Amino acid sequence: DARVTQTPRDKVTEMGQEVTMRCQPILGHNTVFWYRQTMKQGLELLAYFRNRAPLDDSGMPKDRFSAEMPDATLATLKIQPSEPRDSAVYFCASGQTTAGELFFGEGSRLTVL
Amino acid sequence: QKEVEQDPGPLSVPEGAIVSLNCTYSNSAFQYFMWYRQYSRKGPELLMYTYSSGNKEDGRFTAQVDKSSKYISLFIRDSQPSDSATYLCAMSAVGNTGKLIFGQGTTLQVKP
Repeated sequence: DARVTQTPRDKVTEMGQEVTMRCQPILGHNTVFWYRQTMKQGLELLAYFRNRAPLDDSGMPKDRFSAEMPDATLATLKIQPSEPRDSAVYFCASGQTTAGELFFGEGSRLTVL
Repeated sequence: QKEVEQDPGPLSVPEGAIVSLNCTYSNSAFQYFMWYRQYSRKGPELLMYTYSSGNKEDGRFTAQVDKSSKYISLFIRDSQPSDSATYLCAMSAVGNTGKLIFGQGTTLQVKP
């Protein structure tokens, strides 16, 4: 049963600390997305990749967030330094460009104190 | 103003009721329309997928798209307690396939 795998599931950290979230997309999918979900804003697109190349990261605060795909099996989202307003659930999703359907991971719940 | 607007609810209905969920959008380039369902502490999962205008039915679920009004709907017939979840509409434009813009999500509770 193919699925998107995200780690960690839960993370509590202090303000100013670095946070790295990891995602293993479904094998064969060539698009990978990072979304952030909060009660107030809903699901917001942060960044997305196609064939490992970044296509759009306009949704990310550039000064503290960075997203990479070191290889086809790993996508990372890094926050440095973290702030309380970054507290949210971060979702990774993967898909195939011809289908449009996205498959989501279970999310990484981040709490910044 | 957001590109996709969705009433967050919550919406509470008795078991067996017909549920209507709706979204409006402003970007006329949107051609792909989807409904995702999200259970508590889980990721969204695709429920319905339609291209351009028209209706699509799958079991108890019917999705409708009215591009002239920039309005999409999801109907759930004979609602069940297991349908209790958050329902998110999502859309993307031609040439941008896969870049989904989501609505806020509507929380639905079906009471036994």
